[in-house]
Amino acid sequence: NAGVTQTPKFQVLKTGQSMTLQCAQDMNHEYMSWYRQDPGMGLRLIHYSVGAGITDQGEVPNGYNVSRSTTEDFPLRLLSAAPSQTSVYFCASNTGAPSHYGYTFGSGTRLTVV
Amino acid sequence: AQSVTQLGSHVSVSEGALVLLRCNYSSSVPPYLFWYVQYPNQGLQLLLKYTTGATLVKGINGFEAEFKKSETSFHLTKPSAHMSDAAEYFCAVSGVGNEKLTFGTGTRLTIIP
Repeated sequence: NAGVTQTPKFQVLKTGQSMTLQCAQDMNHEYMSWYRQDPGMGLRLIHYSVGAGITDQGEVPNGYNVSRSTTEDFPLRLLSAAPSQTSVYFCASNTGAPSHYGYTFGSGTRLTVV
Repeated sequence: AQSVTQLGSHVSVSEGALVLLRCNYSSSVPPYLFWYVQYPNQGLQLLLKYTTGATLVKGINGFEAEFKKSETSFHLTKPSAHMSDAAEYFCAVSGVGNEKLTFGTGTRLTIIP
């Protein structure tokens, strides 16, 4: 199994550009989330989904958009990139079942906005 | 609402010494608690988790943690540090629904030869 796959691994954007970070999982997990990691701040939740067609905001949702049309995919859209969005982005998934609590993380996307 | 506090952003221990990484949590509901490890330029890997049942949980690579409700703590320990343990460690908490994790700010563990 591939687990959680994120693309691209690295990206440089100019201020104001838009882009989509891709996330796909092949484990039939219901729950998926996007986090950003910044030095000294740990990981902060951007958006999450508990199933296809259901999304909700996390701690830092401004400037980001998500949709969940299939169980497998959970793309993150940056609408108009800003330097403050320079970060490492992680996608994660989980079954949601009590015996399987514990998210599986992708390898991350390192984004630089100039 | 849940929150996590990790005491010590950097911890250094000698190879072979005890590793102790501290985590305290706040939760309005019975918590589910996790420790993750992140090696340089990699994603996060689950070390161990507490959901229900036994309060002392064992994880991978010889790590274990004890859930202490009275102290709202979930400290991570390993009896003897190895060079390969050098990494950043994150404590996290979720509520019963487990739809989202709240992370601490992380502790970078350095192993001194």
